[in-house]
Amino acid sequence: GQNIDQPTEMTATEGAIVQINCTYQTSGFNGLFWYQQHAGEAPTFLSYNVLDGLEEKGRFSSFLSRSKGYSYLLLKELQMKDSASYLCAVRDPTGFQKLVFGTGTRLLVSP
Amino acid sequence: GAVVSQHPSWVICKSGTSVKIECRSLDFQATTMFWYRQFPKQSLMLMATSNEGSKATYEQGVEKDKFLINHASLTLSTLTVTSAHPEDSSFYICSAHGLAGVEEQYFGPGTRLTVT
Repeated sequence: GQNIDQPTEMTATEGAIVQINCTYQTSGFNGLFWYQQHAGEAPTFLSYNVLDGLEEKGRFSSFLSRSKGYSYLLLKELQMKDSASYLCAVRDPTGFQKLVFGTGTRLLVSP
Repeated sequence: GAVVSQHPSWVICKSGTSVKIECRSLDFQATTMFWYRQFPKQSLMLMATSNEGSKATYEQGVEKDKFLINHASLTLSTLTVTSAHPEDSSFYICSAHGLAGVEEQYFGPGTRLTVT
């Protein structure tokens, strides 16, 4: 089976740092993706991890531990525009490499 | 970057009618496209995987006779919701994966379907 969990909601203050966790139990693994989605819009790609460790891209970093089935997305210097949903997705290694999405985390950044 | 479009962006239809949603890859050829459904305040749920020139692969619990998928070319996939009911009202999003060496899928802007 596929089970990908994230906290439902998080709040943070502008300028702060927030960490969004994702734990997964899947039948296969071929990479983990983080997407940002504003309400009513399509998801936009943030990061991709396939090996253990930290990937940094500007204000966003993503970490992966395959042995623990765990990833996090770290957002630094939060801005109001970062208020959105953040989706963790695991890629299935079989067949057509489909993505299985987690429950999603709604982040609210306040002034 | 790769662009995926969807048409229409929103549609309202009466219960019992059918609605077709188009997904196009504008500047690349997409051998595989994916169709998702998203209910309010929920995550994306994969409905089916669409492959050019072959039958779609549906996820468990998705009725293939209700959600007809046609991937007639390398740049176009269509999803037809047949005999729509109010519970089919949702946000339908497609994505495409076809660029060599690129890991991520590219998502279309989504189609908001409301069935009255």
